[in-house]
Amino acid sequence: DIQMTQSPSSLSASIGDRVTITCRASQSISRYLNWYQQKPGKAPKLLIYAASSLQSGVPSRFSGSGSGTDFTLTINILQPEDFATYYCQQSYTTPRTFGQGTKVEI
Amino acid sequence: EVQLVESGGGLVQPGGSLRLSCAASGFTFSSYWMHWVRQAPGMGLVGVSRINSDGSSTSYADSVKGRFTISRDNAKNTLYLQMNSLRAEDTAVYYCVREDIEVEPASIDQYYYYYYMDVWGKGTTVTVSS
Repeated sequence: DIQMTQSPSSLSASIGDRVTITCRASQSISRYLNWYQQKPGKAPKLLIYAASSLQSGVPSRFSGSGSGTDFTLTINILQPEDFATYYCQQSYTTPRTFGQGTKVEI
Repeated sequence: EVQLVESGGGLVQPGGSLRLSCAASGFTFSSYWMHWVRQAPGMGLVGVSRINSDGSSTSYADSVKGRFTISRDNAKNTLYLQMNSLRAEDTAVYYCVREDIEVEPASIDQYYYYYYMDVWGKGTTVTVSS
């Protein structure tokens, strides 16, 4: 199975900050990388697919980049509703595997 | 409205069985691959099982292989997960998830197929405990 490793596991940020989360795959996955946001008690929500494509309805302050093994999720101008846990996930092969999550806290 | 609604979770003793169901609505169920993803309390997301659109191909995480069976009834727009020989470590919220695909031309006669989980149910809780 492809292992996905996110860093950091958690971070503290303030409203208006720019936040960067990284995700590394254990082998090259081209651009088969998705990002999800999860709030407590809720199901995950798709933010970014194919490494950099913004899902419909997701604010443009979210962006993704990378290919191969190294990927980044960036949140520009952090908003109150962005405090959540973020997961990367590879769709290069099955089983689909997720990173361990990055909790963005105040 | 596109919707997935899970049911069938509950408290079960170790070694017991449960059958989860997921009712799909608002989209052509038979056109999509479907997944079960679980999340243990305070932990991250783990893909459990996947089934293709017509049910002819399935895959499982090693941790559930031989114990869980995914299936679907496209006539009833319903996804299932039969869980046998349940263990304490199977305790989790189980999400039913639709997987969509975007096709991007790579070159003449070649394409990239980008899969992503775009619709999630609210989840059903399975607790395995004596």
